[in-house]
Amino acid sequence: DVKVTQSSRYLVKRTGEKVFLECVQDMDHENMFWYRQDPGLGLRLIYFSYDVKMKEKGDIPEGYSVSREKKERFSLILESASTNQTSMYLCASSSTSGHTDTQYFGPGTRLTVL
Amino acid sequence: GQSLEQPSEVTAVEGAIVQINCTYQTSGFYGLSWYQQHDGGAPTFLSYNALDGLEETGRFSSFLSRSDSYGYLLLQELQMKDSASYFCAVRDRYGGATNKLIFGTGTLLAVQP
Repeated sequence: DVKVTQSSRYLVKRTGEKVFLECVQDMDHENMFWYRQDPGLGLRLIYFSYDVKMKEKGDIPEGYSVSREKKERFSLILESASTNQTSMYLCASSSTSGHTDTQYFGPGTRLTVL
Repeated sequence: GQSLEQPSEVTAVEGAIVQINCTYQTSGFYGLSWYQQHDGGAPTFLSYNALDGLEETGRFSSFLSRSDSYGYLLLQELQMKDSASYFCAVRDRYGGATNKLIFGTGTLLAVQP
């Protein structure tokens, strides 16, 4: 069974803190993604990676960075958290083989920045 | 720009049929997907259409018309457990990478007894 896990379900941080969100997939997928989800705005792509050490900016990369040192792990970093980064963060992975590009999502991390 | 439009909310009764529409404007198009997300849960894949026509998977069907930049998700014999948000998404290419999806803002389906 496919599995994407995220390090925390809930996280509370203070403004200015450095925040690490971790995502691990066990499906040997090449592609990994970080989204944030806000009411009425759907899923917005922050960053994605199509290979180890490779990354591409999504639609809203400002204030975020990512790291992919191993194929199974994709980290999202908030260098200096701000209150407008309070959101639900979803990680996903997909394979380059097949034709549907189905993305498999983790359970999400609800981040609150105070 | 690239955008997808879908209704924000739909309400239906148990046992009924409901259709959730999605129109899109994208610079490239390689397929339309649908995802379901229950409250507090992760989005899960429902269906994918690359070609025009209807794809059926049990109680759920998905339709695509590329000439109209339009698709819909059809849910039959609605059950209470179908209450969830439904997102359409288009597959797009981004630079040298494939597999990027652009998601709509989601349709909240409320199934009433």
